[in-house]
Amino acid sequence: KAGVTQTPRYLIKTRGQQVTLSCSPISGHRSVSWYQQTPGQGLQFLFEYFSETQRNKGNFPGRFSGRQFSNSRSEMNVSTLELGDSALYLCASSGEGTVGGNTIYFGEGSWLTVV
Amino acid sequence: AQSVAQPEDQVNVAEGNPLTVKCTYSVSGNPYLFWYVQYPNRGLQFLLKYITGDNLVKGSYGFEAEFNKSQTSFHLKKPSALVSDSALYFCAAFRMDSSYKLIFGSGTRLLVRP
Repeated sequence: KAGVTQTPRYLIKTRGQQVTLSCSPISGHRSVSWYQQTPGQGLQFLFEYFSETQRNKGNFPGRFSGRQFSNSRSEMNVSTLELGDSALYLCASSGEGTVGGNTIYFGEGSWLTVV
Repeated sequence: AQSVAQPEDQVNVAEGNPLTVKCTYSVSGNPYLFWYVQYPNRGLQFLLKYITGDNLVKGSYGFEAEFNKSQTSFHLKKPSALVSDSALYFCAAFRMDSSYKLIFGSGTRLLVRP
């Protein structure tokens, strides 16, 4: 069974640009969440989606947005990039509501560098 | 505020010796508790979880964790460390109410010397 797949793995953007990151959850998982990891702030929650509905959002500016599609794939978008947005962005999925579905699995992450 | 604490930035242990990585939590309700490991330039890899039941949880690669409700702790243990266990370890708590998010500790770097 394939794991959580994130694309792209690495990208470099310029300040002011926007970026879209993609996440394909484990087959059958309907909950997808996003986290930002930086050396200074550690792992911080961005948002969580279940069946195309955002159930929770972290304390990030409105430049950070996301969505989930009917096939449970998710995207997150960051507009007007700032240098401080450089981070590893991690996607996670879980099979909430399924037998043994309460384990949260992470992808390999998307490394974003803003220059 | 809900929080997870990992009091040690780094734990050093000799190969073959037992290891313990500490975690305490301040999260209301009965949270699910997780341990993840992160190798350089990689994502988070699931090790084990506690939901309910037996306080000793066994996970991947010989790791186990002991849940202690009175001390609100969930320490990660391994009887015999390997050099390949050297990595960054994260403890996290998850509330199955309206938050739907993992609250992470700051991470503990484990260094196993040969």
